[in-house]
Amino acid sequence: AQKVTQAQTEISVVEKEDVTLDCVYETRDTTYYLFWYKQPPSGELVFLIRRNSFDEQNEISGRYSWNFQKSTSSFNFTITASQVVDSAVYFCALSEAANNNDMRFGAGTRLTVKP
Amino acid sequence: KAGVTQTPRYLIKTRGQQVTLSCSPISGHRSVSWYQQTPGQGLQFLFEYFSETQRNKGNFPGRFSGRQFSNSRSEMNVSTLELGDSALYLCASSGGTAAKNIQYFGAGTRLSVL
Repeated sequence: AQKVTQAQTEISVVEKEDVTLDCVYETRDTTYYLFWYKQPPSGELVFLIRRNSFDEQNEISGRYSWNFQKSTSSFNFTITASQVVDSAVYFCALSEAANNNDMRFGAGTRLTVKP
Repeated sequence: KAGVTQTPRYLIKTRGQQVTLSCSPISGHRSVSWYQQTPGQGLQFLFEYFSETQRNKGNFPGRFSGRQFSNSRSEMNVSTLELGDSALYLCASSGGTAAKNIQYFGAGTRLSVL
């Protein structure tokens, strides 16, 4: 069975601080995909990144970076120099290749960036 | 390129009624998935349609059903509404193949059951 755990329910930081959002997953498949989505107050889930299970390279995109470690089943997300506009709920999700687009989401982490 | 469009944005229904939600995917996308989001259960997968066929189904009762049309537009129906069906219903579309399984979401339909 697939499962995603985001242990941090809420995080509050002051602008320009770095913040890391944790994600731990469980799956029995060897081929799977991991995702991060951002949900601003408007409600729409915004795609941020996808990683497949064979690609453990870390990724950096501007102020965003992701650390994928299969050894610890973790896919953590770091925002550097946070900004007020980063305030949102962030979801980590897992999709097993055999289950097509059945994505399992974590409970989400609400990030508040204060000015 | 237009994104995923969901209509209506808001709905208010009473217990026992039925409701139909609509989703137009990104042009060229053949897969449409539906999710329910509630404060208590979070984001839960309902079902996925690909080329007018249900390809995958989550753990929801039969009151929740869907269909997909030849132009890939999808509808979701909930019959005999219950108070617990109040939620944000999100639709997502993707290219449909394993290599293109990035799902792009619409803004959702917020359903309130009174």
